[in-house]
Amino acid sequence: GEDVEQSLFLSVREGDSSVINCTYTDSSSTYLYWYKQEPGAGLQLLTYIFSNMDMKQDQRLTVLLNKKDKHLSLRIADTQTGDSAIYFCAESNRNAGNNRKLIWGLGTSLAVNP
Amino acid sequence: DVKVTQSSRYLVKRTGEKVFLECVQDMDHENMFWYRQDPGLGLRLIYFSYDVKMKEKGDIPEGYSVSREKKERFSLILESASTNQTSMYLCASSPTGTLLGTEAFFGQGTRLTVV
Repeated sequence: GEDVEQSLFLSVREGDSSVINCTYTDSSSTYLYWYKQEPGAGLQLLTYIFSNMDMKQDQRLTVLLNKKDKHLSLRIADTQTGDSAIYFCAESNRNAGNNRKLIWGLGTSLAVNP
Repeated sequence: DVKVTQSSRYLVKRTGEKVFLECVQDMDHENMFWYRQDPGLGLRLIYFSYDVKMKEKGDIPEGYSVSREKKERFSLILESASTNQTSMYLCASSPTGTLLGTEAFFGQGTRLTVV
């Protein structure tokens, strides 16, 4: 079945770049998302990429998609302490009966050290 | 801004109680979801609804039921709460057929403790 995998923890120093990686199995994925969850809060959509794109940049965030390897990454430039959070990768597709659901990774907990 | 509001941030209930978790969204979204979030297990889908009075089981529906009498409101019901239902519950909504596909907007979460 569909699966999304990501590493559970990442620790970086303030000012460095962070790269959070995600792999997925469903080759029919249409959209891929990155969500951020700050402590004690719900999830917020951070950015997304459509499956026919290779890269998307949005201020400090860069999303890279390697569709051949089914690999998605999120790069955060100049990481700040406020970026400490859990980052979830998710994918959706348009398969019949499944076009309303997102498939989620377990989340990567990013710790930013001063 | 889209707003998804869950009625409680924290709840403590006794084993065997009937528990209602309420969720309201103000953007006329067709789809609504209930997830639970547990350490090491990520987000697990309990139930979802794509229209009023419609519901579909997610990955872990056992011990839960839902109600969607109005488009803006999606309720999660624990018929007889048990300690293994202690968790963070997240409600989400999403529109259908937009350019962003199934982008979901989340409430702030309800941390339920069953004692």
